[in-house]
Amino acid sequence: AIWMTQSPSLLSASTGDRVTISCRMSQGISSYLAWYQQKPGKAPELLIYAASTLQSGVPSRFSGSGSGTDFTLTISCLQSEDFATYYCQQYYSFPYTFGQGTKLEIK
Amino acid sequence: QITLKESGPTLVKPTQTLTLTCTFSGFSLSTSGVGVGWIRQPPGKALEWLALIYWNDDKRYSPSLKSRLTITKDTSKNQVVLTMTNMDPVDTATYYCAHSFLHSGWAFDYWGQGTLVTVSS
Repeated sequence: AIWMTQSPSLLSASTGDRVTISCRMSQGISSYLAWYQQKPGKAPELLIYAASTLQSGVPSRFSGSGSGTDFTLTISCLQSEDFATYYCQQYYSFPYTFGQGTKLEIK
Repeated sequence: QITLKESGPTLVKPTQTLTLTCTFSGFSLSTSGVGVGWIRQPPGKALEWLALIYWNDDKRYSPSLKSRLTITKDTSKNQVVLTMTNMDPVDTATYYCAHSFLHSGWAFDYWGQGTLVTVSS
């Protein structure tokens, strides 16, 4: 199985800040990586797939980069609705695996 | 538009078999390039992928749970069913089904609302 290390686990930031979340793989996965946002009591929502492709309807302040083993999710100008938990997921090979999550909280 | 909804028991006893149904609309599981997966999330914990079934009936399972899981589809009813045997309290979680599509790179682009299953005697 491919293991992933997502960091940080907790991120404190303010509205308007630029933040980055990292996901590192135990082996190369090309660009087969997705990022999801999850709010309390809700299902995850797809933000980015193929490492850097923005899902339809997702604001352009979200961006993804990376390939191989190192990936980053960037939120360029935090809005109040962005405070949530974020997960990365690899779908390069089975079993699919998710990161442990990054909780983005208001500073 | 694509929607999915999970249904099944909210409470099961240890050793029992759990059967969850994902009923969907807005797509067909007979269309090339489509899949439906199951993912679960214990309270306060991370997401865990369980199983996936494709339009061509190819099936994939989490190795750690493979002996306990079965995923099937009923294309005529627009349903995917997941069964998990020998339930244990550690299987208490919210169970989600989700749509996967070749043109979204096989990421899970649409999710059901989830159903909380509690395992307790």
